[in-house]
Amino acid sequence: KNEVEQSPQNLTAQEGEFITINCSYSVGISALHWLQQHPGGGIVSLFMLSSGKKKHGRLIATINIQEKHSSLHITASHPRDSAVYICAVRLSGSARQLTFGSGTQLTVLP
Amino acid sequence: SAVISQKPSRDICQRGTSLTIQCQVDSQVTMMFWYRQQPGQSLTLIATANQGSEATYESGFVIDKFPISRPNLTFSTLTVSNMSPEDSSIYLCSVGTGSYYGYTFGSGTRLTVV
Repeated sequence: KNEVEQSPQNLTAQEGEFITINCSYSVGISALHWLQQHPGGGIVSLFMLSSGKKKHGRLIATINIQEKHSSLHITASHPRDSAVYICAVRLSGSARQLTFGSGTQLTVLP
Repeated sequence: SAVISQKPSRDICQRGTSLTIQCQVDSQVTMMFWYRQQPGQSLTLIATANQGSEATYESGFVIDKFPISRPNLTFSTLTVSNMSPEDSSIYLCSVGTGSYYGYTFGSGTRLTVV
């Protein structure tokens, strides 16, 4: 079993829909990250969470430490949101490297 | 937060040859991480590069195949040596920043070995 599990693996939505991507982890962590990867391969950091909730524009990320679960929400989705969204965790006591989920391929149709 | 310039962005290479990937950071950072992302897979850590010492490699990765240099606190290279088609992947460098986002990633190098 992977230490970081994401769902769904693939998601297709219509423009304007509310989107949720889930991430569960099975280990102790010091932080959880949501990343966005575009087709060219480059990765952009969206959020770093250790508790609670963060919001940036149309993106909202939440984490429940007790349940070892995080969600990434996109409100009023747009075709430019189409990308792979990756959940990654920094393990407690690690030397700062990340452990990655398998990613969610999001396609938003106009 | 830090900005990373990664080169080349993509390359097509013949098997048996080597490719060196460069990452330049606009600020001094202690640790730099090199990742590989095979087609359809998630990122896997290759090694952690510290300035002034040898890189620390993860299980399954060896220095002879992936030599790393870290001559100063703003620059690192990863070489993929004696390439085979199985090395076709995206390679990314990353640094930890103490910023809001925690990490910055390079733009990636998409390598195809033919």
